[in-house]
Amino acid sequence: QSALTQPPSASGSPGQSVTISCTGTSSDVGGYNYVSWYQQHPGKAPKLMIYEVTKRPSGVPDRFSGSKSGNTASLTVSGLQAEDEADYYCSSYAGSNNFPYVFGTGTEVTVL
Amino acid sequence: QVQLQESGPGLVKPSETLSLTCTVSGASISTYYWSWIRQPPGKGLECIGYIYDSGSTNYNPSLKSRVTISVDTSKNQFSLRLSSVTAADTAVYYCARHGPGYGFDYWGQGTLVTVSS
Repeated sequence: QSALTQPPSASGSPGQSVTISCTGTSSDVGGYNYVSWYQQHPGKAPKLMIYEVTKRPSGVPDRFSGSKSGNTASLTVSGLQAEDEADYYCSSYAGSNNFPYVFGTGTEVTVL
Repeated sequence: QVQLQESGPGLVKPSETLSLTCTVSGASISTYYWSWIRQPPGKGLECIGYIYDSGSTNYNPSLKSRVTISVDTSKNQFSLRLSSVTAADTAVYYCARHGPGYGFDYWGQGTLVTVSS
């Protein structure tokens, strides 16, 4: 079971948008609508930002949105703010025939 | 308000067994699925395994031969044991609750475990 592939880094200026990709296979990302996204600030625990591809937990700003096409999921952060600078990880359900949880490699987002 | 707190030694010798406990408040440990997740310094996240239904478990195949996750419902705690540790097991270890859509909605603060003699 391989980690999902994310770009190592992404950046944008305040107010702009940044989109992070998360590429898996038909056995994980492409096979289920169970992609989650996590934000992690340095020294802190990850925080759930998106689940089931597009849903936001209570309290997460609507600047964060998720989507999926085929084997690739994406997280878009619109109206970038300084506090959005963090590492972002995707995760996908991988089915009951495999160990069902796989994470992405992580993307460091920098607000310029 | 759901809170998770990891506890256990921060230093373990090579070949010994790493033992951590996660104490849960604000939610019944019998009701949800609960995971251990680790993150080596400067690296990504890895789900070690999880426990559910007050004792059923599922472990990551990459660690399965060395991992045991157990639960103490009377204390609302669950625990991790990882045997025969090496330096590669040095990581921040998190406990987390499984939330909607196979996401992890509540996390402990994490505890750094260093494997060194």
